[in-house]
Amino acid sequence: DGGITQSPKYLFRKEGQNVTLSCEQNLNHDAMYWYRQDPGQGLRLIYYSQIVNDFQKGDIAEGYSVSREKKESFPLTVTSAQKNPTAFYLCASSRNRGGGSYNEQFFGPGTRLTVL
Amino acid sequence: GQQLNQSPQSMFIQEGEDVSMNCTSSSIFNTWLWYKQDPGEGPVLLIALYKAGELTSNGRLTAQFGITRKDSFLNISASIPSDVGIYFCAGAINTGTASKLTFGTGTRLQVTL
Repeated sequence: DGGITQSPKYLFRKEGQNVTLSCEQNLNHDAMYWYRQDPGQGLRLIYYSQIVNDFQKGDIAEGYSVSREKKESFPLTVTSAQKNPTAFYLCASSRNRGGGSYNEQFFGPGTRLTVL
Repeated sequence: GQQLNQSPQSMFIQEGEDVSMNCTSSSIFNTWLWYKQDPGEGPVLLIALYKAGELTSNGRLTAQFGITRKDSFLNISASIPSDVGIYFCAGAINTGTASKLTFGTGTRLQVTL
């Protein structure tokens, strides 16, 4: 089945530790994204990547880092510098649907990170 | 970053009723998207709109791209219990590169039997 997988579903970490969230897609999409969702709120963009070895900061990139070494993978590291890391993290991907539009983003199931 | 205003924030309806919700922005978008999110899951894309005035349906769902390009509307006809969830709108500018979606605050829908 084609889709986006995120692992693990639930993650617990102690304060001060870095943690890496996995995102893999087999949709052959060029672009990938990371969002953060807090209770009762919409999604906010952390980082996005148009192609391999290239990525851009979103609206709330501070305290996060990413890499894009392979087209199908876009891991997110939540560093100890992130002040409020407990949240629901969502990965998405999109393709060029013609006319240069990458707007239709498809989401993975999410990882709920809790920092104790 | 900006978040879009969605209305209503939540609604309780009876099974079989029609539902309407809307999303407004202070700036123009050239794409509007509607997503549904179940608790603890990722959002699922329902409808994408690309032209001002466009009306698009997906089963019992109908969405419209507002003429001003600053708003969008979603209607659900004859609601059923599985329509329960949070509905998000998202706006985007087509830049020809990976897009930054701006999301609404969500409308929580609860359906009673």
